[in-house]
Amino acid sequence: QKEVEQNSGPLSVPEGAIASLNCTYSDRGSQSFFWYRQYSGKSPELIMFIYSNGDKEDGRFTAQLNKASQYVSLLIRDSQPSDSATYLCAGYMYSGGGADGLTFGKGTHLIIQP
Amino acid sequence: EAQVTQNPRYLITVTGKKLTVTCSQNMNHEYMSWYRQDPGLGLRQIYYSMNVEVTDKGDVPEGYKVSRKEKRNFPLILESPSPNQTSLYFCASSLQGTTSYEQYFGPGTRLTVT
Repeated sequence: QKEVEQNSGPLSVPEGAIASLNCTYSDRGSQSFFWYRQYSGKSPELIMFIYSNGDKEDGRFTAQLNKASQYVSLLIRDSQPSDSATYLCAGYMYSGGGADGLTFGKGTHLIIQP
Repeated sequence: EAQVTQNPRYLITVTGKKLTVTCSQNMNHEYMSWYRQDPGLGLRQIYYSMNVEVTDKGDVPEGYKVSRKEKRNFPLILESPSPNQTSLYFCASSLQGTTSYEQYFGPGTRLTVT
């Protein structure tokens, strides 16, 4: 059973600070990880993906992956009120045509306080 | 514009009345998927399709049917809807075979079954 775990929050962060979102996964075969942002009532939108150990940076966002610890994180620097949303972590294992897809965590609700 | 479209966006129906939610993508994606999202449960995969005429069950397929006769369309069929299928439904698509495996989500369909 593949599982992706996230703290549901809410996580409250002052504007301008660093928001740190965390995710753990149970399946060591998981190869790629994705962070989606979802505003209330809207569809998820991709922020970043990562598949190699280490850090990956894109603007104010940094994704971190540690496969040995089965841990994924997303850092948001200089947090803005517009970053307030639910952040979904998802893992994917490619089995060469087998029955697989994205497994989503339940999401962390992030609130950026002005 | 590259997009995934769903219709209808909102639907209120009664128990047992068959309905279809359409999904279409214009990105020539091979992979398409249906999810439902419920409070406290997150996004759960219903069915997915790796390509035309190839479909498979996700985590919560009971009470749903799908078909993939054309690459661009992936309708979700509820033969006899029940109140426990009241949910927010998302269709998604992605280009199969890429490491990034980014999924693009449709705008969502809010279904209420009374």
